[in-house]
Parts: sequence; structure tokens; C-alpha cells
Amino acid sequence: GAVVSQHPSWVICKSGTSVKIECRSLDFQATTMFWYRQFPKQSLMLMATSNEGSKATYEQGVEKDKFLINHASLTLSTLTVTSAHPEDSSFYICSARALESNQPQHFGDGTRLSIL
Amino acid sequence: QKEVEQNSGPLSVPEGAIASLNCTYSDRGSQSFFWYRQYSGKSPELIMFIYSNGDKEDGRFTAQLNKASQYVSLLIRDSQPSDSATYLCAVKGSSASKIIFGSGTRLSIRP
Repeated sequence: GAVVSQHPSWVICKSGTSVKIECRSLDFQATTMFWYRQFPKQSLMLMATSNEGSKATYEQGVEKDKFLINHASLTLSTLTVTSAHPEDSSFYICSARALESNQPQHFGDGTRLSIL
Repeated sequence: QKEVEQNSGPLSVPEGAIASLNCTYSDRGSQSFFWYRQYSGKSPELIMFIYSNGDKEDGRFTAQLNKASQYVSLLIRDSQPSDSATYLCAVKGSSASKIIFGSGTRLSIRP
């Protein structure tokens, strides 16, 4: 149980393109989803927390207009990187958690984004 | 002081031995504690979670929690080369909805 599907796995695109990443909880309802970014050999960095039906809460230093998060249902959250530039190239990982807040977060497989 | 602290390693352990990974946390009111394993280039994978003081065993893994000392550990018995990875300790604080991750300990099992 507790499967989180993230799509796509890899994206390579030109600078200035907007990229959408989907995160789905397949066998449970995810009231809260989290988006992380990880640069090579560095720690996970939380970008934002989203609750179904409400606006995402962004961490300090994360541009909300650049990283658009939508959590429209209990099983789907999307992250859109708008007008991506090479410095946005990174490994983006979503995680989802069920209703009870003391439950573990389960991670998707991640999306490797490369901006040329 | 970081909220969740781990020794970055690398921790090198011979195959078949016990690997001991440690983590301390600053929020005394924390209630939920998690261990994740992350292979290079992959996303984290949940190994164990523990909520109560004491030991919790699952196969070759044992999580140990001591809330008085604000300390949580992960023991891996009969270490295998496939256990070589970065191990992330994560703690849910008393008031926050998110869990806080440590920076991880890199474990290397040498044959």
C-alpha cells in the first residue's frame, strides 16, 4: 500500500519552457502533499506544502509565482515550473501523506528536470 | 542547532556486521519518527517509523527511540552491500504538519 506515482520521470527542455509535474496517490487519499527539490549530493529541500482545496504554503526563498502548485483533489497535486531556466535543473520529488498527521510521508520516484 | 541532526558519514561497516545510525532532534514534544533510505539518484523510501519509547523491530532493521534523550537510532543487522545508501532520519514536531529531515548519513557496506 501507500503508493505515490510521479510523472514524468525525466524532462529535458529548452530554457523558457514551462514544465508540469504530476504527483498521484494511488491507493490512499492524500490530504497533504509536499514538494521537494534535491541538487546532486545535497539534502532534500522542502519547497512547499499543499493541502487539498487550499493554497500551498511555500518555504522561505521559494518563488510562488515560479513554482505553481495545485492540489485540486485528494489524489492529485501538480507542480508547474514556469519559464524554466538552467538553474532550475534539479531532481524534484513529491511526497504524500494520509489524513492522520502522524502518518509517514510516502515519496514518488522523482522527476529529473534538465533545462538546456 | 539544527532541528534534526545526523552524522553525515560516510559510515563504513563490513558485510555481515551491525550498522548503527544515530539521530538527535531538538523539539522535545516530537511524537513521530521515521527512517528513510535513499539510493543515489533515487527518491527516499520509508524503512521504519516509531512513535513510542523503546525498540521496534522489522526484519533486519531495529529502530530505537529515547524521548528523554531526544535520540533515535536505526540498527541494521547482517549488513549487506545492498544496504549501502544514505539514511535519512525524519521527525514530526509537536506543532508542525510537515516532518523535518536530517541531512542524512551515508552508509557504505564493504564486502
